[in-house]
Amino acid sequence: AQTVTQSQPEMSVQEAETVTLSCTYDTSESNYYLFWYKQPPSRQMILVIRQEAYKQQNATENRFSVNFQKAAKSFSLKISDSQLGDTAMYFCAFMKETSGSRLTFGEGTQLTVNP
Amino acid sequence: GAGVSQSPSNKVTEKGKDVELRCDPISGHTALYWYRQSLGQGLEFLIYFQGNSAPDKSGLPSDRFSAERTGGSVSTLTIQRTQQEDSAVYLCASSLQRFSSYGYTFGSGTRLTVV
Repeated sequence: AQTVTQSQPEMSVQEAETVTLSCTYDTSESNYYLFWYKQPPSRQMILVIRQEAYKQQNATENRFSVNFQKAAKSFSLKISDSQLGDTAMYFCAFMKETSGSRLTFGEGTQLTVNP
Repeated sequence: GAGVSQSPSNKVTEKGKDVELRCDPISGHTALYWYRQSLGQGLEFLIYFQGNSAPDKSGLPSDRFSAERTGGSVSTLTIQRTQQEDSAVYLCASSLQRFSSYGYTFGSGTRLTVV
């Protein structure tokens, strides 16, 4: 079974600064996908960024980038130029590369961006 | 519809009563998932539907929980004889294919409170 661990229950950052959220996972799979989801107070989970495990290059999406260390089973999210709208709960998630595969989520990190 | 729609948005029920939660996935999406998010925790997989195949019910916590999906579209999650520990946000998600490496599209959830 896969497990996903987010060791930071809460984090805060000043507007315009950079923050990194940590995530580690455990799996015996060789092919899989990793995701960061954002959950604002509206409750809807929004996909922020995804990483394919067989790609060595770290994924980037505008101000969001990841540091994917496959050997260490680490998948951190870096948010640059933090904005007030980034305030939300962030979840790291894992998916095996098989049909009907469910997402396995970490416990989440509550990020607050302060003005 | 344009997104995954869930109803009701909020539900308060008395302990021992039955409740039904509804999910209307994106039109054409064949895969549908239910997750439970307890207070301050990550998402817990409940059940998965794929087309006309038998659902994967392995995440249902007890026999008080059941779900069906009619016509490969709308899904209903039923909780019988509700208990206080059932209080949580119930999230539904759908995806176009049996396996989607881009994750799923989530609804905004139903917040269930059992008093």
